[in-house]
Amino acid sequence: NAGVTQTPKFRVLKTGQSMTLLCAQDMNHEYMYWYRQDPGMGLRLIHYSVGEGTTAKGEVPDGYNVSRLKKQNFLLGLESAAPSQTSVYFCASRTVLNDRVTHEQYFGPGTRLTVT
Amino acid sequence: QKEVEQDPGPLSVPEGAIVSLNCTYSNSAFQYFMWYRQYSRKGPELLMYTYSSGNKEDGRFTAQVDKSSKYISLFIRDSQPSDSATYLCAMMDSNYQLIWGAGTKLIIKP
Repeated sequence: NAGVTQTPKFRVLKTGQSMTLLCAQDMNHEYMYWYRQDPGMGLRLIHYSVGEGTTAKGEVPDGYNVSRLKKQNFLLGLESAAPSQTSVYFCASRTVLNDRVTHEQYFGPGTRLTVT
Repeated sequence: QKEVEQDPGPLSVPEGAIVSLNCTYSNSAFQYFMWYRQYSRKGPELLMYTYSSGNKEDGRFTAQVDKSSKYISLFIRDSQPSDSATYLCAMMDSNYQLIWGAGTKLIIKP
């Protein structure tokens, strides 16, 4: 199993450009998450999904959109990139056992995004 | 004030020392308490978790939760250079979301 994979690993954007980050998981997990990690601020939740076709906002959703058309994929879009969106982006997934959400999240390797 | 407070460090100790990493929190409804380890340029990985108060030991690692003080700790015995990483505490709220500390960067000097 590859676990959670993210594409691309690195990207440099100019202000105003758009891009999509792709997250894929092969563990058949129901829940998927997008976080951003900035120095001294830990992980902050951007958006999440509790199942195919459903998404919800997290702590810092402004400037981002997401879609989950397939259970294994979770896409994060930046419509008009800003320097404040320079960060490391992590995708994570989580499963449900016996109708209860498990506590462990499995993370991808991250995407380093720089917006100039 | 953040819900979870964690000193970002860095914390630098010699090899073989006992390491103590800590987090404080404000939400008394937290039930699951977790420690994730993150190596440089990698994603976090779950190291240990505890449910409610008490201690849990796994090899050289011990996780401790004191709900009365809203304080959790991770102890590393006989620390090794391979333990050098950022350690993030995380707690699960009533909506099953994880609330994260800022992470403490740990450096073990050979």
